[in-house]
Amino acid sequence: DIQMTQSPSSLSASVGDRVTIACRSSQDISTFLNWYQQKPGKAPNLLIFGASSLQTGVPSRFSGRGSVTEFTLTISSLQPEDIALYYCQQSYSMPYTFGQGTKLEIK
Amino acid sequence: EVQLAESGGGLVQPGGSLRLSCAASGFTFSTYTMYWVRQAPGKGLEYVSAISGNGGSTNYAKSVKGRFTMSRDNSRDTLYLQMGSLRAEDSALYYCVRDRMTMFAGIIASDSFEIWGQGTMVTVSS
Repeated sequence: DIQMTQSPSSLSASVGDRVTIACRSSQDISTFLNWYQQKPGKAPNLLIFGASSLQTGVPSRFSGRGSVTEFTLTISSLQPEDIALYYCQQSYSMPYTFGQGTKLEIK
Repeated sequence: EVQLAESGGGLVQPGGSLRLSCAASGFTFSTYTMYWVRQAPGKGLEYVSAISGNGGSTNYAKSVKGRFTMSRDNSRDTLYLQMGSLRAEDSALYYCVRDRMTMFAGIIASDSFEIWGQGTMVTVSS
């Protein structure tokens, strides 16, 4: 199975900050990498697919980049409503594994 | 509106069985790969299983293989997860998920997990 490792596990930042979350895969997954946001008590929401494509309806302050084994999710200017858990996931091969999650908090 | 609605969760004893259902609406159900994803309380997301559009292909996480069976009834727009030999570590919120892209009927090839239900809770305890 492909292992997905996110860093950091938690992150505290101020409103307006630029925030970056990293995700690493244990083998080459090309750009088959997706990012999800999960707010408390809610189902996850797809943010980014194919490493860098913004899902419809997602604010443009979210962006993704990377390929092969190294990927990042960036929020260009953190907003209070961005407080959530963020997960990366590979869709390169089954089982479609997730990272352990990054908890984003407001400082 | 595209919707997924899970049902069937509950409290079950270790070693017991349970069948989850997921009713789909607002899209052509048979043209999408579907998934089950679970989340134990306070934990991260865990892929459980996948099924192709025509139900001919399935895939399971190692943790549930041989104990869980995923199926679908395209005439009823409904997805199922038959869970057996349940263990305490199977306790979780189970989400029904639809892929973002349509796919050839017999193939499982994921793009991304776009549509999520609200989840149904399974608790395995004596």
